[in-house]
Amino acid sequence: RKEVEQDPGPFNVPEGATVAFNCTYSNSASQSFFWYRQDCRKEPKLLMSVYSSGNEDGRFTAQLNRASQYISLLIRDSKLSDSATYLCVVNGGGSYIPTFGRGTSLIVHP
Amino acid sequence: DADVTQTPRNRITKTGKRIMLECSQTKGHDRMYWYRQDPGLGLRLIYYSFDVKDINKGEISDGYSVSRQAQAKFSLSLESAIPNQTALYFCATSDLGAQATQYFGPGTRLLVL
Repeated sequence: RKEVEQDPGPFNVPEGATVAFNCTYSNSASQSFFWYRQDCRKEPKLLMSVYSSGNEDGRFTAQLNRASQYISLLIRDSKLSDSATYLCVVNGGGSYIPTFGRGTSLIVHP
Repeated sequence: DADVTQTPRNRITKTGKRIMLECSQTKGHDRMYWYRQDPGLGLRLIYYSFDVKDINKGEISDGYSVSRQAQAKFSLSLESAIPNQTALYFCATSDLGAQATQYFGPGTRLLVL
Protein backbone atom coordinates (compact mmCIF):
# COMPACT_ATOMS: atom_id res chain seq x y z
CA ARG A 1 0.00 0.00 0.00
CA LYS A 2 1.38 3.37 -1.00
CA GLU A 3 1.97 5.73 1.92
CA VAL A 4 -0.03 8.57 0.39
CA GLU A 5 -2.95 7.79 -1.88
CA GLN A 6 -4.99 10.03 -4.12
CA ASP A 7 -7.69 9.46 -6.71
CA PRO A 8 -5.89 10.28 -9.98
CA GLY A 9 -9.08 11.59 -11.62
CA PRO A 10 -9.42 13.41 -13.87
CA PHE A 11 -12.10 15.48 -12.26
CA ASN A 12 -13.83 17.27 -15.10
CA VAL A 13 -15.97 20.18 -13.84
CA PRO A 14 -17.58 23.29 -15.30
CA GLU A 15 -16.49 26.79 -14.35
CA GLY A 16 -18.08 27.88 -11.12
CA ALA A 17 -18.40 24.39 -9.70
CA THR A 18 -17.21 23.27 -6.31
CA VAL A 19 -14.89 20.28 -6.31
CA ALA A 20 -13.23 18.34 -3.51
CA PHE A 21 -10.26 16.01 -3.42
CA ASN A 22 -9.26 13.61 -0.69
CA CYS A 23 -5.92 12.12 0.15
CA THR A 24 -5.26 9.30 2.62
CA TYR A 25 -1.99 8.58 4.37
CA SER A 26 -0.79 5.46 6.15
CA ASN A 27 1.78 6.78 8.64
CA SER A 28 -0.06 7.76 11.81
CA ALA A 29 3.09 9.57 13.01
CA SER A 30 2.87 12.06 10.14
CA GLN A 31 3.21 15.58 11.39
CA SER A 32 2.68 18.02 8.57
CA PHE A 33 0.55 18.12 5.49
CA PHE A 34 0.46 20.14 2.31
CA TRP A 35 -1.24 20.57 -1.03
CA TYR A 36 0.95 21.40 -4.02
CA ARG A 37 -0.19 22.37 -7.48
CA GLN A 38 1.56 21.21 -10.62
CA ASP A 39 0.80 22.57 -14.06
CA CYS A 40 1.52 20.39 -17.07
CA ARG A 41 5.29 19.85 -17.52
CA LYS A 42 6.07 22.41 -14.80
CA GLU A 43 7.47 22.12 -11.31
CA PRO A 44 5.21 21.59 -8.30
CA LYS A 45 4.49 24.67 -6.23
CA LEU A 46 3.05 24.96 -2.75
CA LEU A 47 -0.67 25.71 -2.78
CA MET A 48 -1.26 25.61 0.94
CA SER A 49 -0.30 23.92 4.16
CA VAL A 50 -2.97 21.98 6.01
CA TYR A 51 -3.48 22.68 9.70
CA SER A 52 -5.30 20.60 12.27
CA SER A 53 -8.08 23.14 12.67
CA GLY A 54 -8.55 23.47 8.93
CA ASN A 55 -7.59 26.53 6.96
CA GLU A 56 -8.82 28.62 4.10
CA ASP A 57 -7.10 30.69 1.43
CA GLY A 58 -9.57 32.47 -0.79
CA ARG A 59 -11.52 29.86 -2.73
CA PHE A 60 -9.44 27.01 -1.32
CA THR A 61 -10.15 25.19 1.94
CA ALA A 62 -8.00 22.44 3.39
CA GLN A 63 -9.02 20.04 6.15
CA LEU A 64 -7.17 17.41 8.16
CA ASN A 65 -8.77 14.41 9.81
CA ARG A 66 -6.12 12.70 11.93
CA ALA A 67 -8.46 10.01 13.25
CA SER A 68 -9.25 8.79 9.75
CA GLN A 69 -5.85 9.78 8.35
CA TYR A 70 -6.95 11.87 5.45
CA ILE A 71 -6.70 15.41 4.21
CA SER A 72 -8.99 17.19 1.82
CA LEU A 73 -8.92 20.15 -0.53
CA LEU A 74 -12.08 22.00 -1.48
CA ILE A 75 -12.10 24.44 -4.39
CA ARG A 76 -15.09 26.74 -4.68
CA ASP A 77 -16.13 28.69 -7.77
CA SER A 78 -13.68 26.84 -10.01
CA LYS A 79 -11.81 28.85 -12.63
CA LEU A 80 -10.34 27.68 -15.91
CA SER A 81 -6.94 28.54 -14.43
CA ASP A 82 -7.47 25.99 -11.65
CA SER A 83 -6.89 23.21 -14.19
CA ALA A 84 -3.80 21.40 -12.94
CA THR A 85 -2.68 18.37 -10.97
CA TYR A 86 -2.98 18.66 -7.20
CA LEU A 87 -0.41 16.79 -5.15
CA CYS A 88 -0.94 15.74 -1.58
CA VAL A 89 2.25 15.80 0.50
CA VAL A 90 2.78 14.33 3.93
CA ASN A 91 5.83 14.76 6.17
CA GLY A 92 6.53 11.91 8.55
CA GLY A 93 8.07 12.17 11.94
CA GLY A 94 11.78 12.43 12.60
CA SER A 95 13.62 13.71 9.55
CA TYR A 96 10.51 15.15 7.85
CA ILE A 97 11.16 13.64 4.45
CA PRO A 98 8.08 14.51 2.41
CA THR A 99 6.08 11.80 0.71
CA PHE A 100 4.10 12.79 -2.36
CA GLY A 101 0.86 11.33 -3.59
CA ARG A 102 0.58 10.65 -7.29
CA GLY A 103 -1.67 13.62 -7.79
CA THR A 104 -5.26 14.33 -8.76
CA SER A 105 -5.93 15.88 -12.15
CA LEU A 106 -8.50 18.67 -12.36
CA ILE A 107 -9.90 19.96 -15.63
CA VAL A 108 -12.18 22.98 -15.47
CA HIS A 109 -14.12 23.59 -18.69
CA PRO A 110 -16.15 26.58 -19.87
CA ASP B 1 16.39 35.15 -11.18
CA ALA B 2 14.98 31.78 -10.19
CA ASP B 3 15.79 30.55 -6.71
CA VAL B 4 16.39 26.94 -7.84
CA THR B 5 17.94 26.33 -11.24
CA GLN B 6 18.62 23.14 -13.09
CA THR B 7 20.89 22.45 -16.04
CA PRO B 8 20.42 21.20 -18.63
CA ARG B 9 16.68 21.70 -19.14
CA ASN B 10 16.51 19.03 -21.81
CA ARG B 11 18.92 16.24 -22.64
CA ILE B 12 18.97 13.39 -25.10
CA THR B 13 21.58 10.73 -24.56
CA LYS B 14 22.34 7.17 -25.55
CA THR B 15 22.30 3.99 -23.51
CA GLY B 16 25.53 3.52 -21.61
CA LYS B 17 26.54 7.17 -21.53
CA ARG B 18 27.37 8.96 -18.30
CA ILE B 19 25.50 12.17 -17.71
CA MET B 20 25.25 14.72 -14.94
CA LEU B 21 22.31 16.90 -14.01
CA GLU B 22 23.10 19.97 -11.98
CA CYS B 23 21.10 21.94 -9.46
CA SER B 24 21.88 25.28 -7.85
CA GLN B 25 19.93 27.26 -5.30
CA THR B 26 20.10 30.77 -3.89
CA LYS B 27 17.62 30.23 -1.05
CA GLY B 28 20.28 29.38 1.51
CA HIS B 29 18.59 26.08 2.38
CA ASP B 30 20.53 23.20 3.84
CA ARG B 31 18.27 20.47 2.49
CA MET B 32 18.30 19.43 -1.15
CA TYR B 33 16.53 16.62 -2.98
CA TRP B 34 16.44 14.89 -6.33
CA TYR B 35 13.19 13.41 -7.65
CA ARG B 36 12.10 11.77 -10.83
CA GLN B 37 8.59 11.96 -12.19
CA ASP B 38 7.05 9.46 -14.53
CA PRO B 39 3.49 9.55 -15.88
CA GLY B 40 1.13 7.84 -13.47
CA LEU B 41 3.82 7.28 -10.84
CA GLY B 42 4.12 10.71 -9.30
CA LEU B 43 7.30 12.08 -7.76
CA ARG B 44 9.77 9.54 -6.44
CA LEU B 45 12.73 10.45 -4.28
CA ILE B 46 16.15 9.44 -5.60
CA TYR B 47 18.57 11.03 -3.11
CA TYR B 48 18.51 13.75 -0.50
CA SER B 49 21.05 15.73 1.45
CA PHE B 50 20.61 17.59 4.71
CA ASP B 51 23.92 19.41 4.49
CA VAL B 52 27.21 19.31 2.60
CA LYS B 53 28.47 16.25 4.46
CA ASP B 54 25.21 14.33 4.41
CA ILE B 55 23.94 12.13 1.56
CA ASN B 56 21.02 9.72 1.84
CA LYS B 57 19.39 7.28 -0.52
CA GLY B 58 15.75 7.69 -1.41
CA GLU B 59 13.34 5.05 -2.60
CA ILE B 60 14.87 4.61 -6.08
CA SER B 61 18.62 5.30 -5.84
CA ASP B 62 19.86 2.33 -7.90
CA GLY B 63 21.62 3.51 -11.06
CA TYR B 64 22.14 7.03 -9.69
CA SER B 65 24.75 8.84 -7.64
CA VAL B 66 24.91 12.36 -6.24
CA SER B 67 27.43 14.91 -5.12
CA ARG B 68 26.86 17.85 -2.78
CA GLN B 69 29.66 20.18 -3.79
CA ALA B 70 28.53 23.08 -1.66
CA GLN B 71 25.47 24.17 0.26
CA ALA B 72 24.09 25.65 -2.94
CA LYS B 73 24.91 22.83 -5.36
CA PHE B 74 23.65 19.27 -5.65
CA SER B 75 24.31 17.22 -8.76
CA LEU B 76 22.83 13.93 -9.91
CA SER B 77 24.76 11.48 -12.07
CA LEU B 78 23.65 8.56 -14.16
CA GLU B 79 26.81 6.48 -14.48
CA SER B 80 25.52 4.38 -17.36
CA ALA B 81 22.19 5.62 -18.63
CA ILE B 82 19.46 3.15 -19.59
CA PRO B 83 16.16 3.80 -21.39
CA ASN B 84 13.99 3.32 -18.28
CA GLN B 85 15.74 6.34 -16.77
CA THR B 86 13.90 8.46 -19.29
CA ALA B 87 11.89 10.81 -17.09
CA LEU B 88 11.42 14.34 -15.81
CA TYR B 89 13.91 15.10 -13.04
CA PHE B 90 13.34 17.72 -10.39
CA CYS B 91 15.67 19.18 -7.83
CA ALA B 92 14.14 20.70 -4.70
CA THR B 93 15.30 22.52 -1.59
CA SER B 94 13.79 23.12 1.79
CA ASP B 95 14.55 24.65 5.11
CA LEU B 96 14.52 22.65 8.35
CA GLY B 97 11.43 21.64 10.25
CA ALA B 98 8.18 19.84 9.74
CA GLN B 99 6.41 22.78 8.15
CA ALA B 100 9.21 23.57 5.70
CA THR B 101 8.05 24.18 2.15
CA GLN B 102 9.86 22.53 -0.71
CA TYR B 103 10.93 24.73 -3.61
CA PHE B 104 11.43 22.99 -6.92
CA GLY B 105 13.61 23.74 -9.88
CA PRO B 106 12.05 23.85 -13.34
CA GLY B 107 13.00 20.27 -14.13
CA THR B 108 15.25 18.45 -16.58
CA ARG B 109 13.62 16.39 -19.28
CA LEU B 110 15.87 13.41 -20.01
CA LEU B 111 15.50 10.99 -22.90
CA VAL B 112 17.72 7.92 -23.02
CA LEU B 113 17.76 6.21 -26.41
